[in-house]
Amino acid sequence: GDSVTQTEGPVTLSEGTSLTVNCSYETKQYPTLFWYVQYPGEGPQLLFKVPKANEKGSNRGFEATYNKEATSFHLQKASVQESDSAVYYCALSVRSYAQGLTFGLGTRVSVFP
Amino acid sequence: DTTVKQNPRYKLARVGKPVNLICSQTMNHDTMYWYQKKPNQAPKLLLFYYDKILNREADTFEKFQSSRPNNSFCSLYIGSAGLEYSAMYLCASSLLGRGNTLYFGAGTRLSVL
Repeated sequence: GDSVTQTEGPVTLSEGTSLTVNCSYETKQYPTLFWYVQYPGEGPQLLFKVPKANEKGSNRGFEATYNKEATSFHLQKASVQESDSAVYYCALSVRSYAQGLTFGLGTRVSVFP
Repeated sequence: DTTVKQNPRYKLARVGKPVNLICSQTMNHDTMYWYQKKPNQAPKLLLFYYDKILNREADTFEKFQSSRPNNSFCSLYIGSAGLEYSAMYLCASSLLGRGNTLYFGAGTRLSVL
């Protein structure tokens, strides 16, 4: 079946430093790849998605490139802020008739001033 | 208004008793989903409704039921709660189609004692 593996957390950073959360996936189909973010007390919300191989998605200073050859979709941000503290989920969708997402474990990121 | 609401936020249940969780959305989405999230595990898709058609995942087929009396509401029903059902339950909705964004509620935390 489909699977997503991402960096184990927690990840602790200082403001202004860079963040990388690794994500790799396995599927025999052609996925759309997503990054979702979950803030405390809220449900996961879409950060961005990339439907096509070798394209980049970005939002709020975060970015990730859909690398089909490496089956990776690593999340990066050059300079994090305290407000970026959250759980980040990598996910994929391959179903042709409905969109049930396959999620990774999630990576808790804590940014301190 | 991209809102998915779940009630209640916290629920306490006794072993062997039934549990009913409620979800509503105001976006006129045709598809609604239920996910289960346990600590140190990825969110797991339990079932989804496309319009009035219920699709349950094979490995949780007998453990969960659901109903969708109208487009806006969807429930998750556990006939006889066991300790293993303690988890966060996330409801989501979307329009049908691969690559479409899922919108999540804040979740219901179920504790079975």
